[in-house]
Amino acid sequence: GENVEQHPSTLSVQEGDSAVIKCTYSDSASNYFPWYKQELGKRPQLIIDIRSNVGEKKDQRIAVTLNKTAKHFSLHITETQPEDSAVYFCAASINSGYSTLTFGKGTMLLVSP
Amino acid sequence: NAGVMQNPRHLVRRRGQEARLRCSPMKGHSHVYWYRQLPEEGLKFMVYLQKENIIDESGMPKERFSAEFPKEGPSILRIQQVVRGDSAAYFCASSPGQGYQPQHFGDGTRLSIL
Repeated sequence: GENVEQHPSTLSVQEGDSAVIKCTYSDSASNYFPWYKQELGKRPQLIIDIRSNVGEKKDQRIAVTLNKTAKHFSLHITETQPEDSAVYFCAASINSGYSTLTFGKGTMLLVSP
Repeated sequence: NAGVMQNPRHLVRRRGQEARLRCSPMKGHSHVYWYRQLPEEGLKFMVYLQKENIIDESGMPKERFSAEFPKEGPSILRIQQVVRGDSAAYFCASSPGQGYQPQHFGDGTRLSIL
């Protein structure tokens, strides 16, 4: 089955810096890649997603890039703010008519003021 | 517009008891997914259901765990004869249908086994 590796496990940045989280996947059939943000004790919230027919997608300060050949995708957060502090999860899905997600183990992002 | 509703938020059981976790999908969503999250780990897929059908239960332990999504009412994840290793957060997600439809998560049920 699919395996998703996520790095780093923890990331500390200063407010205003950029943060990059990287994920690799094993199954070349995966074609949908969402990113979720989870604050302590709360639900995972979808922040951005990308399909395999697109190489990059942006939404304000957040962007995701996908390299299908290398089987990796990355989350980029610019101008980080303290409220960006949370655990971020990447996921991959083989869309065979449904979208069960295989998650990475998460990255704890800490943005210091 | 209510999101995915899960209850209870916290559940404490003694070893050997049964745990029942409930999930009501978002309005208009007919697909439900259950995930388990162990401390400091990612979410692991357990089961995918549509109304009255289990579509994929490849992530479910073979024994003691079962799930249903009846025609009326919420989806239920049932754990019989709970053991300490069942302690985890159990999240439910729903989506409107097949294909590239984002999954929206509930607040989860935190199950503690004494």
